[in-house]
Amino acid sequence: DVKVTQSSRYLVKRTGEKVFLECVQDMDHENMFWYRQDPGLGLRLIYFSYDVKMKEKGDIPEGYSVSREKKERFSLILESASTNQTSMYLCASSFQKLTDTQYFGPGTRLTVL
Amino acid sequence: QKEVEQNSGPLSVPEGAIASLNCTYSDRGSQSFFWYRQYSGKSPELIMSIYSNGDKEDGRFTAQLNKASQYVSLLIRDSQPSDSATYLCAVKAGGFKTIFGAGTRLFVKA
Repeated sequence: DVKVTQSSRYLVKRTGEKVFLECVQDMDHENMFWYRQDPGLGLRLIYFSYDVKMKEKGDIPEGYSVSREKKERFSLILESASTNQTSMYLCASSFQKLTDTQYFGPGTRLTVL
Repeated sequence: QKEVEQNSGPLSVPEGAIASLNCTYSDRGSQSFFWYRQYSGKSPELIMSIYSNGDKEDGRFTAQLNKASQYVSLLIRDSQPSDSATYLCAVKAGGFKTIFGAGTRLFVKA
């Protein structure tokens, strides 16, 4: 059974804080993704990684960075949190075949005050 | 900008009816198509995938793909209150990225 876990379900941070969100998958997937989900806007891709130490910008990378030092772990970093980064953050992973689906973690609801 | 469009709903159907959810996409090179279900406060989970034109059935769910019209649909037969959720259409054209629609909210009234 595929398992994608995220470090926190709920997180409250203050403006300007550095925030780390961690994601771990146990299926040996090559690809890992970070999305944010906001009402009416759907899932928006922040960053993805197709291999260890490799990363690519998604559609909304500004204000975020990522780290993938091990295949199973993908971290999202908010360098200086702002209120407009209050959102639901979803991590996902997949194999690289075109037909392969993405498996999502439970999500982290981040509130920046 | 590659896009996936869905009617945001809400779509309301009575219990036992057929729910029809629709999705259009802009990239003609798209090759893989997925439907995810997302319950309120939960993460998306895959319910159907389809890769070739026509219908694909899995229990009460049928996915339909028409590449010429760039159209994907999901039919839910004998809808149940437990089917009430947001349904996300997702499209993959190659490479690593999957493009998600904003989702259609479905309410099944008991």
